[in-house]
Amino acid sequence: DAKTTQPNSMESNEEEPVHLPCNHSTISGTDYIHWYRQLPSQGPEYVIHGLTSNVNNRMASLAIAEDRKSSTLILHRATLRDAAVYYCILRDPSSGTYKYIFGTGTRLKVLA
Amino acid sequence: GAGVSQSPSNKVTEKGKDVELRCDPISGHTALYWYRQSLGQGLEFLIYFQGNSAPDKSGLPSDRFSAERTGGSVSTLTIQRTQQEDSAVYLCASSPPLGPYNEQFFGPGTRLTVL
Repeated sequence: DAKTTQPNSMESNEEEPVHLPCNHSTISGTDYIHWYRQLPSQGPEYVIHGLTSNVNNRMASLAIAEDRKSSTLILHRATLRDAAVYYCILRDPSSGTYKYIFGTGTRLKVLA
Repeated sequence: GAGVSQSPSNKVTEKGKDVELRCDPISGHTALYWYRQSLGQGLEFLIYFQGNSAPDKSGLPSDRFSAERTGGSVSTLTIQRTQQEDSAVYLCASSPPLGPYNEQFFGPGTRLTVL
């Protein structure tokens, strides 16, 4: 499985944008990029996913590099409720492997 | 609608005892996953069920761990002869019939403590 690399932790001030990076230099052409987050004492929840083009939804934006070797999850205005561990995961739907391989993620701290 | 539920929410057991953890997936979801999360760590994949296909057991750490899914719905994860290193949060997730993005919906987890 292609692996991802994320910083262990990041801090942001409330109401400011946050850019969470993810490196995936061994990504294959058919790997989708998924982001999940895990709030304290909860199971992970889906945030966003993409393949090649940048994506936006109500929670966040996903910016994917042209060579797809990296991506960035963008929270446009961080709130205290966004404090969580953010996981960047690759999955190839054509591989027959349907499990996600979670790394240790990035722990985001939001300062009031 | 109802999300993924797990029971019990907390389980304390003595070393050597067997435990059963239950997962009720979202109705209509054909895929079900079990993960383990040790303190301060990421999620470790354990096992995956998809419909009537043979489960992917590649993540089970030892033969003390087993899981079944009855009637394509409820799943039970069984740990025999528990050890202290089995202490962790056990998370269950389900997802609808497979598509390219296969969003997984997670339950709240069962916190297992082995004394």
